[in-house]
Amino acid sequence: GAVVSQHPSWVICKSGTSVKIECRSLDFQATTMFWYRQFPKQSLMLMATSNEGSKATYEQGVEKDKFLINHASLTLSTLTVTSAHPEDSSFYICSGEDNEQFFGPGTRLTVL
Amino acid sequence: AQSVTQLGSHVSVSEGALVLLRCNYSSSVPPYLFWYVQYPNQGLQLLLKYTTGATLVKGINGFEAEFKKSETSFHLTKPSAHMSDAAEYFCAVSDRGTSYDKVIFGPGTSLSVIP
Repeated sequence: GAVVSQHPSWVICKSGTSVKIECRSLDFQATTMFWYRQFPKQSLMLMATSNEGSKATYEQGVEKDKFLINHASLTLSTLTVTSAHPEDSSFYICSGEDNEQFFGPGTRLTVL
Repeated sequence: AQSVTQLGSHVSVSEGALVLLRCNYSSSVPPYLFWYVQYPNQGLQLLLKYTTGATLVKGINGFEAEFKKSETSFHLTKPSAHMSDAAEYFCAVSDRGTSYDKVIFGPGTSLSVIP
């Protein structure tokens, strides 16, 4: 199957700083990519849908100014958590669509 | 709006016993249905999916699931549990009517396998 990578796999940052997470489709072009967050022992919650060359579509309750998504190419989408706070600590997973969704390995963000 | 429920947040089975993980969905249109497995601190791996055609779907690692429209169910089964099956399992649904496969996940079921 198709491969999606995420970088970094884990990151620790101080409260108030910004963190960028990259999601890459390695062997296919993903017109659409999705960003999810997962709290411990919970399910994946869709945050936003990212379409190449256009603005992301955010789910209800997700702050678009806090979670900046850029989908500059068919193989790269980035999620920037701005002014991170401890409550933003979570596991962030992206996926790319190639007839079906292929998920990245996730990025664990810890905000101190 | 679509939704997914999974009965039982935690299921324990003995090694070699039948695995049954329950999933019910709600969708206003014929859905695509999925089962994913997640190992600790890892991403998701697709076990199997139903789109159209045969309602009994076979997946990887000996898992299978049956789509029952009348019961709005898509339960996951495996005849004989293996220790390596211990993981978190998510049922998911997507709306085939959209231009892209927006996937909604159920709350998950944690499977433990007892030696």
